[in-house]
Amino acid sequence: KNEVEQSPQNLTAQEGEFITINCSYSVGISALHWLQQHPGGGIVSLFMLSSGKKKHGRLIATINIQEKHSSLHITASHPRDSAVYICAVRVNTGNQFYFGTGTSLTVIP
Amino acid sequence: DGGITQSPKYLFRKEGQNVTLSCEQNLNHDAMYWYRQDPGQGLRLIYYSQIVNDFQKGDIAEGYSVSREKKESFPLTVTSAQKNPTAFYLCASKIQGAGETQYFGPGTRLLVL
Repeated sequence: KNEVEQSPQNLTAQEGEFITINCSYSVGISALHWLQQHPGGGIVSLFMLSSGKKKHGRLIATINIQEKHSSLHITASHPRDSAVYICAVRVNTGNQFYFGTGTSLTVIP
Repeated sequence: DGGITQSPKYLFRKEGQNVTLSCEQNLNHDAMYWYRQDPGQGLRLIYYSQIVNDFQKGDIAEGYSVSREKKESFPLTVTSAQKNPTAFYLCASKIQGAGETQYFGPGTRLLVL
């Protein structure tokens, strides 16, 4: 049983396309994180959300607490956006995080 | 520069051998974590520590051991009891408290010969 489910698993887009990655979770959470993992393996945090919506440059993240669902949008996608995007949730009963399996995004010039 | 360092980047283990992965942070973070990443799976928690000299098992602690003698350091030992150690290992740290972001190290890839 996976506490965090992501879709799609793989995504290929043309440069300039609008991209959406979805995340659903089944546990009570205190926060949801979107992470980016580049081919070398290093992970950076993009967003931390507990409600509503956040925007950073071409990236937008939204969360619906009632539906236990979050989306990550990339506007005007670029080849440098190619990476694995990971959804993670911090459970509200402790200090642990649960991670989705990631969405592998490839943006073609 | 503040951050998390992991060494080595690649590590080879022979059958029956214990190996230790290093994780150091100079962010003054209280909490530190070790995760294992396998293809097609999400990160899975091995051990975490919220304070010096204290640590808790995560979901897949069997075959691993840790220590937290200093705030900056959280080494992970992969023992010979871990039957499938080939994976990518990520260390992370965060400020204590709800909702704070985790900061990740660059990872160590462990291969069994």
